[in-house]
Amino acid sequence: DQQVKQNSPSLSVQEGRISILNCDYTNSMFDYFLWYKKYPAEGPTFLISISSIKDKNEDGRFTVFLNKSAKHLSLHIVPSQPGDSAVYFCAASAGSSNTGKLIFGQGTTLQVKP
Amino acid sequence: KAGVTQTPRYLIKTRGQQVTLSCSPISGHRSVSWYQQTPGQGLQFLFEYFSETQRNKGNFPGRFSGRQFSNSRSEMNVSTLELGDSALYLCASSPLRGGSHGELFFGEGSRLTVL
Repeated sequence: DQQVKQNSPSLSVQEGRISILNCDYTNSMFDYFLWYKKYPAEGPTFLISISSIKDKNEDGRFTVFLNKSAKHLSLHIVPSQPGDSAVYFCAASAGSSNTGKLIFGQGTTLQVKP
Repeated sequence: KAGVTQTPRYLIKTRGQQVTLSCSPISGHRSVSWYQQTPGQGLQFLFEYFSETQRNKGNFPGRFSGRQFSNSRSEMNVSTLELGDSALYLCASSPLRGGSHGELFFGEGSRLTVL
């Protein structure tokens, strides 16, 4: 049973446009959500996170939106840059005693074309 | 500040052998988690250690084990290797027992190939 799902394996956008990556989850106990970026041959790098008590968090070009009723979150990248091309994972955790235990989605490969 | 260091970076084993992977967390980080990444299953949680104690465990068979030392360094061991154990094994550290809002800092991983 996959508790965190990223239904789009890949996404291609033009440089300067908006990239929207989506993630759905099934476990209502999740209370913290994160996005990680991964380049080949490197470990995942933390991007941005959001607590379940919020519906939006913004950090520079990156904004994460959380819709708890729909159990859906999305990552917006504006404007997209070629250096953003990577695999993006959403992840979730449930409870303060489980913050080291992240449940990851399968990842979405983003390609930003110059 | 040095990042999470994992050794070895690459290794090849044959079925039935065992393997030990090592992880040195960021200085001051006391929590270490391990993940397995495969093309089919994505990133899956193996276990988490804090202060030399296993805090959480994922759904992996008993062939997968780990430990943490007093200096927070961690090792994981896989015994009786199977072909399906071929994967990238990632170690992540965080500064607090509860994590820093779940922000884990990952190493570059150990790529294990089982022949």
